[in-house]
Amino acid sequence: QKEVEQDPGPLSVPEGAIVSLNCTYSNSAFQYFMWYRQYSRKGPELLMYTYSSGNKEDGRFTAQVDKSSKYISLFIRDSQPSDSATYLCAINFSGGYNKLIFGAGTRLAVHP
Amino acid sequence: EPEVTQTPSHQVTQMGQEVILRCVPISNHLYFYWYRQILGQKVEFLVSFYNNEISEKSEIFDDQFSVERPDGSNFTLKIRSTKLEDSAMYFCASKGTGVLETQYFGPGTRLLVL
Repeated sequence: QKEVEQDPGPLSVPEGAIVSLNCTYSNSAFQYFMWYRQYSRKGPELLMYTYSSGNKEDGRFTAQVDKSSKYISLFIRDSQPSDSATYLCAINFSGGYNKLIFGAGTRLAVHP
Repeated sequence: EPEVTQTPSHQVTQMGQEVILRCVPISNHLYFYWYRQILGQKVEFLVSFYNNEISEKSEIFDDQFSVERPDGSNFTLKIRSTKLEDSAMYFCASKGTGVLETQYFGPGTRLLVL
């Protein structure tokens, strides 16, 4: 079983739509959950960082963690063409000192 | 805003040659990492480095790879004898000392081995 699973998409939505991106993970010891955005041929850019279960909101982005289901989500409200990118979930065991384990990334296209 | 920088942005080399990829982490960060991403595949961890020594390395990080922090600002990844399968995007990342901090990535070096 893979440590982190993420549907690679692609996902295509119209501008203004609500986007839901998801990952599942296998090890209940994981504690820190991150979402990175990666534009083509660029480095991952940190979007959201959460610890433990619950929601965290930052502008149009909401990260949700359900540790009982080992399920993490990123919601994008009022999606814009500039949100078109690959979204990577990443997890690790403790405080970011350890390696990040990435999902495959979901490619999102927001069309005008 | 402070950022991680990497040089060169692109590197083309012949199989068997040595390459050195350079990174300048964020200045007050103490934890450093290298990851790679083969085209179309996921980002994979290579090695982490703290207090002038390797703290963790993956199976990919074999004897052909080495890392060094030669001075107070640079962090390098050396591949001694490149193979075709080393062609990938290599990302450097750094992290501060706070428990709730996470890793910030550089823009990457695209390595092509011919």
